[in-house]
Amino acid sequence: KQEVTQIPAALSVPEGENLVLNCSFTDSAIYNLQWFRQDPGKGLTSLLLIQSSQREQTSGRLNASLDKSSGRSTLYIAASQPGDSATYLCAVDSNDYKLSFGAGTTVTVRA
Amino acid sequence: ETGVTQTPRHLVMGMTNKKSLKCEQHLGHNAMYWYKQSAKKPLELMFVYNFKEQTENNSVPSRFSPECPNSSHLFLHLHTLQPEDSALYLCASSPTTDTQYFGPGTRLTVL
Repeated sequence: KQEVTQIPAALSVPEGENLVLNCSFTDSAIYNLQWFRQDPGKGLTSLLLIQSSQREQTSGRLNASLDKSSGRSTLYIAASQPGDSATYLCAVDSNDYKLSFGAGTTVTVRA
Repeated sequence: ETGVTQTPRHLVMGMTNKKSLKCEQHLGHNAMYWYKQSAKKPLELMFVYNFKEQTENNSVPSRFSPECPNSSHLFLHLHTLQPEDSALYLCASSPTTDTQYFGPGTRLTVL
């Protein structure tokens, strides 16, 4: 069974600092890995999807890397803003249509 | 907005009640999902429907009964729930094994 771990569970940084969020998974046989954002009491918004054959994906200030062999992914958010405050979830697709989620990292960006 | 809607957004029910959660998408997606999100725990996949056929039941208790009458609608029928079933229930849809699009969720409280 795929296990997904996210460290740290919570993170608080001053505005402008770069954010580094970590995700690890136990089974390297994956189709893809996704990073989601969740605002309090809301659903999930997909940020980046990395296919198993890719090493990284970028969208604006966000960059996600994938090292399948070591079972790790990192989400970088450059020049953080208060609007980046949310919970970030990592999810691994290792069996068609089924995602395994981490518990998330809750980020607070202080103005 | 992701194009996936859920109703109701909030629901309070007693343990003897029967209620239903509704999910709707008009994105033309073939797969639909129910997830449970409890506080401080990873999202748990409950059910997967692909082309209206249930392809996954993740050992969910029978007090949760899904229904998928067509590829645009998904229901979760609830009866004789327990207080520990209180959680955020999220619906998602996807075209294939691509990223999943999540609804805003239904916050369920069982008294």
